[in-house]
Order: sequence, then C-alpha cells, then structure tokens
Amino acid sequence: NSKVIQTPRYLVKGQGQKAKMRCIPEKGHPVVFWYQQNKNNEFKFLINFQNQEVLQQIDMTEKRFSAECPSNSPCSLEIQSSEAGDSALYLCASIGLDYEQYFGPGTRLTVL
Amino acid sequence: GDSVTQTEGLVTLTEGLPVMLNCTYQSTYSPFLFWYVQHLNEAPKLLLKSFTDNKRPEHQGFHATLHKSSSSFHLQKSSAQLSDSALYYCAWITGNTGKLIFGLGTTLQVQP
Repeated sequence: NSKVIQTPRYLVKGQGQKAKMRCIPEKGHPVVFWYQQNKNNEFKFLINFQNQEVLQQIDMTEKRFSAECPSNSPCSLEIQSSEAGDSALYLCASIGLDYEQYFGPGTRLTVL
Repeated sequence: GDSVTQTEGLVTLTEGLPVMLNCTYQSTYSPFLFWYVQHLNEAPKLLLKSFTDNKRPEHQGFHATLHKSSSSFHLQKSSAQLSDSALYYCAWITGNTGKLIFGLGTTLQVQP
C-alpha cells in the first residue's frame, strides 16, 4: 500500500487565487512526480524532482505553477493564479524499486 | 512518436465472465509497461508491471504478458468480480526520469 501523503484532500479557490498543495513521498524514494488528472480522467505529467532538483517539467508548469521539494520538508505544488481549467485531481507519486510509482490520494482542486 | 493505446471507454461484463482489456504500445525500444487500477475517489494503484524475462506478472487474479512481437500488454482475468469495477490504465515509463505516460483509461463495469 502507498504511503504517499497529500494535503489537503480538497481545495476550493476563486479564479486568480493561489492554490497550494503538499506531498510527503514514501521514505527512501528520491524521485517525486506531480500529475494532473482532469475531469475526463486523463493524466498529464507536470513536473518531477530528484531530491531537490527538477528533472523535467512541462511548459504549463514553468509559467504558472511553482513547485519545490526541499530537504526535510514536504514537496509542494502551487498554482500562482488559478484558472477554471485548473480544476482537477492533482496526484503526487514517488518512485520505488524497478520504476514502480506509488500515488498519494490526491488533492482535488475546484476553481470557481 | 512513442505512445500507448488501450481499449477506450466503457467495458461492461457480467460477473464470472473473462476480462480482457487491450494495451498496445508504439516505441523504438522495449519499454517498462504497467497496469494501474483506480477505484472511485481513490488513488491509482499499481496492479501489474512487465518484466524483461518473459515472466507473466499476476496480481489479484489479473495477469498480463508482454508480447514484443505484437507490442502488446493486454490485461486479463479469467473470471470478473463485482469488486473489479474500476478505471484501468495502461502506462509506460518513458525516458530516464521515470515519467509515466498513461493511456486514456478503460472503465470496467461488472454487473451481477
């Protein structure tokens, strides 16, 4: 069973507001991923980290999203100015042996 | 480009009948492939992963075999149960950062 912790489980924001969510990966997993699952259940990779360094990110993440994984603190993903289209389930995952990724329960963001 | 394609939409079965959900990939190399299952309001959970040594992974009665000749990793179960009703995703690892690329998902609905 996954031990990835995500908070909050639900987040409601108005358009233009900041939205921040956190993730504590499984202990010993050095690589952390953020994915967005939209209302059509489609997954989109956003960004990943190895230790504190960004490995890869998509354009959307570079422009309106900020993310970090500081040592000894939860990882975080923040949308600087929320848009209606950002309403989705944001999933954090960490990678274990043999490339197995384990997901947290997600933060469901609703932008009004 | 590299991609994964799976049975799309809704698959409805009667309890006790066999299950087969298709997944094919298009890649210039042999990828790591996975099946994830997501029950309503839960996180995706790893169900199966492909092995490179032709072993057939099995979990919870499900199995899948990587066939390089047909570029497929179909998910099968001999007898569907009501509790198998969920969203199923075929996914693969791309690149060396461990990023998962998901198919569009298949909703399996098992009826009494």
